[in-house]
Amino acid sequence: DVVMTQTPPSLSVAIGQSVSISCKSSQSLVYSDGKTYLHWLLQSPGRSPKRLIYQVSNLGSGVPDRFSGTGSQKDFTLKISRVEAEDLGVYYCAQTTHFPNTFGAGTKLELK
Amino acid sequence: EVQLVESGGGLVQPGRSLKLSCAASGFTFSNYYMAWVRQAPTKGLEWVASITNSGGSTYYRDSVKGRFTISRDNAKSTLYLQMDSLRSEDTATYYCTRGGHWGQGTLVTVSS
Repeated sequence: DVVMTQTPPSLSVAIGQSVSISCKSSQSLVYSDGKTYLHWLLQSPGRSPKRLIYQVSNLGSGVPDRFSGTGSQKDFTLKISRVEAEDLGVYYCAQTTHFPNTFGAGTKLELK
Repeated sequence: EVQLVESGGGLVQPGRSLKLSCAASGFTFSNYYMAWVRQAPTKGLEWVASITNSGGSTYYRDSVKGRFTISRDNAKSTLYLQMDSLRSEDTATYYCTRGGHWGQGTLVTVSS
């Protein structure tokens, strides 16, 4: 199985601060069609997960452009510029290139 | 608006069966690949199974292979998960997903 290693496990931030979350996979996430199926999700407290970014860098519908994703092959980063209160929760990276699809363990973003 | 509404969860004894449903609306269900993802209490996300848009191919994580069956009825825009021989470790909230869209989840508790 592809292991997704997310760091840090938690982050304490002030509103307006910028933060980055890293996600490294144990195998390349480039599929045979040339696309990379690495996605970022946010699970706000008590809510279902919501996809923020798909295929490394594409913003989901309605997702503010404070969120951005970069990376390739096995090394990916989610950046949040100017954190707002609504951004708090647990962030997950997920890969759907390989079966079984796998998720990172999550990064909990909390207010300082 | 895309909506995914899960149902069928509940308390069940080990070894018994349960069938989850996911009613989809707001999109052409038969055009999309669907999946079930679960989340044990206070834990991270875990992919369970996926099915192609026609239902012709299905994929499972090893721990549920032979016990769970994913299926769909495109005429009814409904996704299913038949869960047999349930174990305590299957206790989780089960989410129906389509790409960036997630349902609200249905809680399955396996306990005597």
